[in-house]
Order: sequence, then C-alpha cells, then structure tokens
Amino acid sequence: SQTIHQWPATLVQPVGSPLSLECTVEGTSNPNLYWYRQAAGRGLQLLFYSIGIDQISSEVPQNLSASRPQDRQFILSSKKLLLSDSGFYLCAWSVNRNEKLFFGSGTQLSVL
Amino acid sequence: KQEVTQIPAALSVPEGENLVLNCSFTDSAIYNLQWFRQDPGKGLTSLLLIQSSQREQTSGRLNASLDKSSGRSTLYIAASQPGDSATYLCAVDNYGQNFVFGPGTRLSVLP
Repeated sequence: SQTIHQWPATLVQPVGSPLSLECTVEGTSNPNLYWYRQAAGRGLQLLFYSIGIDQISSEVPQNLSASRPQDRQFILSSKKLLLSDSGFYLCAWSVNRNEKLFFGSGTQLSVL
Repeated sequence: KQEVTQIPAALSVPEGENLVLNCSFTDSAIYNLQWFRQDPGKGLTSLLLIQSSQREQTSGRLNASLDKSSGRSTLYIAASQPGDSATYLCAVDNYGQNFVFGPGTRLSVLP
C-alpha cells in the first residue's frame, strides 16, 4: 500500500534562517506531488506541484522553492525565512489528476 | 477563477443527529470534487471523491452528492458520533487549475 512521510512534525526557526522540509511517498511510481500551506484562519494554499522529476510549477510567488531530486521525493526550501512563512505545511500526492489526493501529517513551522 | 465556499463555518450537534454540510463552487468545469476530514494539527484524510460525471458517492455513514450545473455539493453524515468531530473541507479539481479548497466547516458532535 502507498504511504507518505513528511518531516519534521514541528519546526521553530529564526527569521532569516534557511528551511528544508522533506516529503517522500512509498508504494507508487511517478506520483503527482504537491506542497500546500495552511495559515491560521485561512484555507489551504497550493504552493508547488510536480508531475515528474524536474517538472515543478509554482502557484504563488514567494521566497520558497521546491525540488524533486527523485521520483518520490519532494523538498520545500527557503534561503531566508520571513515571519509570514509561519504556517502548517502539507505535502500531498495523487496518482493522476482525477484521483484522490492523499496528505502527509504536516509540519507546523513557526518563524520567530 | 474558481472560488469554493462552505456553509456553515461551524456546527455543533448532539450525538445521533443526521447532518448536512454544504459546499458551493463558482466554475462548473471540474474534474471532480473531494471531501476531506482534518483533525486539529493533523493532515487531511480523503473521505469521498465524486467524478464530474457522477451524482453521488457513499462510504459507510457518509454520502456526498454533486450537482455540477448549480455548483453545489453536500456531505450527509448519518447518526453522528463524537468521533466525527473535526473540520470538513471540500476541494474542487479544476480544468486549468489544481485543487481549490473551501475554508472548511468545523463540526462538533456532543455526547
């Protein structure tokens, strides 16, 4: 069966520090991969999605970037965090566009 | 641009009641609509997926309907239990866009 792993679960970082969040999927090949952010009191915002290795689309301009170095690995990064980057970050995957979306357990990021 | 709304924002019911959660979307050109459950501080769990050609889907005590022409979906929960307490989100998979999520309905089922 397929599983998705996301870590760390919580992270407290100072403003201006770098960020790296990792997500891996097991049990499937060539999944569509997604990074979402859920800010307090707001809905889910799609940040990046990827349909294959080195095929990444950005939905929202920001100081974040994403990479997909392997088929089932998706990484969210920042060189310098801002206060506004605080939020709950969720990784998700699907087999293709018309299938269920499965989420990881999320990372609560607090930028101080 | 697709917009998704959910009514009510919050709902509190006694255990055993049947309840309906509503989801509305502005653009009917969709692949599918999904309902999710989110517990506090956790990721989302997919409950039901309705393809654009379907009218409803059922799983246990849950039934979701889709009226694409009117831009509406409902999630019906039968015989609610305290364990159903969570936030329920609907999401629409759009042509030309990826999933667009509603803000969610926060449900509390009181014992």
